[in-house]
Amino acid sequence: KNEVEQSPQNLTAQEGEFITINCSYSVGISALHWLQQHPGGGIVSLFMLSSGKKKHGRLIATINIQEKHSSLHITASHPRDSAVYICAVSRGSNYKLTFGKGTLLTVNP
Amino acid sequence: EAQVTQNPRYLITVTGKKLTVTCSQNMNHEYMSWYRQDPGLGLRQIYYSMNVEVTDKGDVPEGYKVSRKEKRNFPLILESPSPNQTSLYFCASRGGGRNYGYTFGSGTRLTVV
Repeated sequence: KNEVEQSPQNLTAQEGEFITINCSYSVGISALHWLQQHPGGGIVSLFMLSSGKKKHGRLIATINIQEKHSSLHITASHPRDSAVYICAVSRGSNYKLTFGKGTLLTVNP
Repeated sequence: EAQVTQNPRYLITVTGKKLTVTCSQNMNHEYMSWYRQDPGLGLRQIYYSMNVEVTDKGDVPEGYKVSRKEKRNFPLILESPSPNQTSLYFCASRGGGRNYGYTFGSGTRLTVV
């Protein structure tokens, strides 16, 4: 069993829909990261969370430490949000990242 | 502009021919790391470095070497590349403290034939 599990693996939405991507982890962590990777593109760090909730524009990330679960929400989705979203966790003080397999999001106009 | 610069972006090489992929960051970050990304396997860590002259193995270090002689540079060395090292490689760096996220390079697509 992977230490970091994401769901769903693939997600197709219509423009304007509210989207949720989930991430569960099985180990103690110091922080959880949400990353975005556009097709053929590099990786961008969206959020780093150790508790609570963070918001940036239409993106919201939450984490529940007790339940070892995080969600990434996209409000009013747009075709430019189409990308792979990757959850990763870091443990202890060595900053080592363990990644989920990613969620491929396609937003159709 | 704060960034992590990887070179080259694309590389095709032959089995056994030593190569180096360079990585440089201009943010004075202490932590740097290398990852490979493969279909179905996702991202996996190869090596990381907590500071100058301090490096350690990640999850898939076999066949790779790294060095950290200066804070800004963290090259990835393949002494004798093999076809199973064909992959997309990313370098990343991170500053200290609880509020610093990761900055990734643009990636290097390596093909070993």
